[in-house]
Amino acid sequence: AQSVTQLDSQVPVFEEAPVELRCNYSSSVSVYLFWYVQYPNQGLQLLLKYLSGSTLVKGINGFEAEFNKSQTSFHLRKPSVHISDTAEYFCAVNYGGSQGNLIFGKGTKLSVKP
Amino acid sequence: DADVTQTPRNRITKTGKRIMLECSQTKGHDRMYWYRQDPGLGLRLIYYSFDVKDINKGEISDGYSVSRQAQAKFSLSLESAIPNQTALYFCATSPPGSPYGYTFGSGTRLTVV
Repeated sequence: AQSVTQLDSQVPVFEEAPVELRCNYSSSVSVYLFWYVQYPNQGLQLLLKYLSGSTLVKGINGFEAEFNKSQTSFHLRKPSVHISDTAEYFCAVNYGGSQGNLIFGKGTKLSVKP
Repeated sequence: DADVTQTPRNRITKTGKRIMLECSQTKGHDRMYWYRQDPGLGLRLIYYSFDVKDINKGEISDGYSVSRQAQAKFSLSLESAIPNQTALYFCATSPPGSPYGYTFGSGTRLTVV
């Protein structure tokens, strides 16, 4: 079955520290990969996406993600986090085909502490 | 104005009541979706619609129904609300085809007491 796994439900870090939020997906011939961010009491906002080409994708707010086909991963990274990055982050995968619905992971809550 | 507008933003209703959540979008996209979000469970697809005449069940459609009144409007109904339908509900829209992300509304927080 097609699935998306976010390995950490919560990630606490100190301000200015680097962070990596992990995402793995079930293997498929072709996938489109997304990271969304949800700030408290808000909807989901697209952070970045991988469709094809370079495996390193840069998004908004200094985040980047690397597509690794052999490890079926799409981990999200930021070299130095801010208090304002505190939010829940969702990895999502579109396995393609005629329907092409997004399948979401369960989310990772990033808590940035001063 | 927001690209995807959901009403109401918050709603408290009693068990057994019928309730409708509304969604409208100005993106001009054909595809619309309803998701529910529960803590620790992420987003789960309730229903989706690829155009006005094409409506499909998602993974958790039991207890819900939808209506696609126009390209821009997609409503979710709970015919007889129950407490475990207490959740945050999101509407989203996307262009046709696979390699596109969704644009989400701000959500409706529904509490069934």
